[in-house]
Amino acid sequence: KAGVTQTPRYLIKTRGQQVTLSCSPISGHRSVSWYQQTPGQGLQFLFEYFSETQRNKGNFPGRFSGRQFSNSRSEMNVSTLELGDSALYLCASSRGGVGNTEAFFGQGTRLTVV
Amino acid sequence: TQLLEQSPQFLSIQEGENLTVYCNSSSVFSSLQWYRQEPGEGPVLLVTVVTGGEVKKLKRLTFQFGDARKDSSLHITAAQPGDTGLYLCAGPFNAGNNRKLIWGLGTSLAVNP
Repeated sequence: KAGVTQTPRYLIKTRGQQVTLSCSPISGHRSVSWYQQTPGQGLQFLFEYFSETQRNKGNFPGRFSGRQFSNSRSEMNVSTLELGDSALYLCASSRGGVGNTEAFFGQGTRLTVV
Repeated sequence: TQLLEQSPQFLSIQEGENLTVYCNSSSVFSSLQWYRQEPGEGPVLLVTVVTGGEVKKLKRLTFQFGDARKDSSLHITAAQPGDTGLYLCAGPFNAGNNRKLIWGLGTSLAVNP
């Protein structure tokens, strides 16, 4: 069974640009969560999508947005990039049922903003 | 304030030594999960502990869930360089009508040959 696939693996953008990251979850998983990870800050929860609906949201500004498609694939968009947005962005998929929170992560997208 | 506190934050040991890392909370969790993350990769689920007092073994790794389900520990016997990584604990937390995973900041382990 294929794992979680994130594309691209690496990305370099300039301040003020926008970026879209993609995540394909494990087949059959309906929940996709996005995290930002920076040294010393740990995994910061961005949002979770379940059956194309945003189910949970973290404390990030509106520049960070996402969506989920009918095939459960998800995209995350960051607009007006800032230097502080440089991080490893991780996508995790899970079955998403009540009480089922075990997360399976992709390899992440390393975003560098210059 | 972190809902899940992990300690120590950093640990550097020699190959063959034993170690224990901790994941503590003042809240009760229905379950706790342990993940290992290698540099530049996503975390990988190691184990989920569900019952208070439960002990699970994964080769040289022993996971324990506290009786009160507020804490968990991970013990590694005869550590090897391949055990190097960031060890994260996480637990489900009710946020309004939904559940989400709460994460500790992790223990960064370096096993030197």
